[in-house]
Amino acid sequence: DQQVKQNSPSLSVQEGRISILNCDYTNSMFDYFLWYKKYPAEGPTFLISISSIKDKNEDGRFTVFLNKSAKHLSLHIVPSQPGDSAVYFCAATPANSGYALNFGKGTSLLVTP
Amino acid sequence: DARVTQTPRHKVTEMGQEVTMRCQPILGHNTVFWYRQTMMQGLELLAYFRNRAPLDDSGMPKDRFSAEMPDATLATLKIQPSEPRDSAVYFCASGPGQSTNEKLFFGSGTQLSVL
Repeated sequence: DQQVKQNSPSLSVQEGRISILNCDYTNSMFDYFLWYKKYPAEGPTFLISISSIKDKNEDGRFTVFLNKSAKHLSLHIVPSQPGDSAVYFCAATPANSGYALNFGKGTSLLVTP
Repeated sequence: DARVTQTPRHKVTEMGQEVTMRCQPILGHNTVFWYRQTMMQGLELLAYFRNRAPLDDSGMPKDRFSAEMPDATLATLKIQPSEPRDSAVYFCASGPGQSTNEKLFFGSGTQLSVL
């Protein structure tokens, strides 16, 4: 049962434009959300996170928005760069879970020059 | 630069053979996780440990998979006997285990192909 869902397997964006990656979750106990980025032949690397007490967190070109009522979060990349081309995984964890992350299936982002 | 180290990077084996994957977590991290990446399921949690004690292995097929932490610097994931459907990338990750709001650090993975 997939509790974290990324319904877009792939996304293509032109360099300089905004990339918006979406993620939905079903478990209302989730209270901490993360985005990981993965290049081919490498492990996922942490990108940005947000706690359920916030609705926005920004780090440079990356912003994560959380809508708890809709159980939805999104990652915005502005401006997109070719080096951002990678697979992006959304992850979530409930409080007192032992820190195990539940991941979505990932969205493959391609940023074209 | 501290990192999670996984060996081997690639493994090709025949159905029925035993496979052992190894992981060295970041020094000082007390939580260790095994994930499997497939096209169909994305990143699935197989098992995880805190202070070397197994906390949850409900994601693993119990009849053929086993995960252990012989010591704080080594985690192992074994498959015996292996089957073609086990072909995937297996990732190990570790975390400080100090708070709920923390990130995990992943190794580069073991690409397993079972023929």
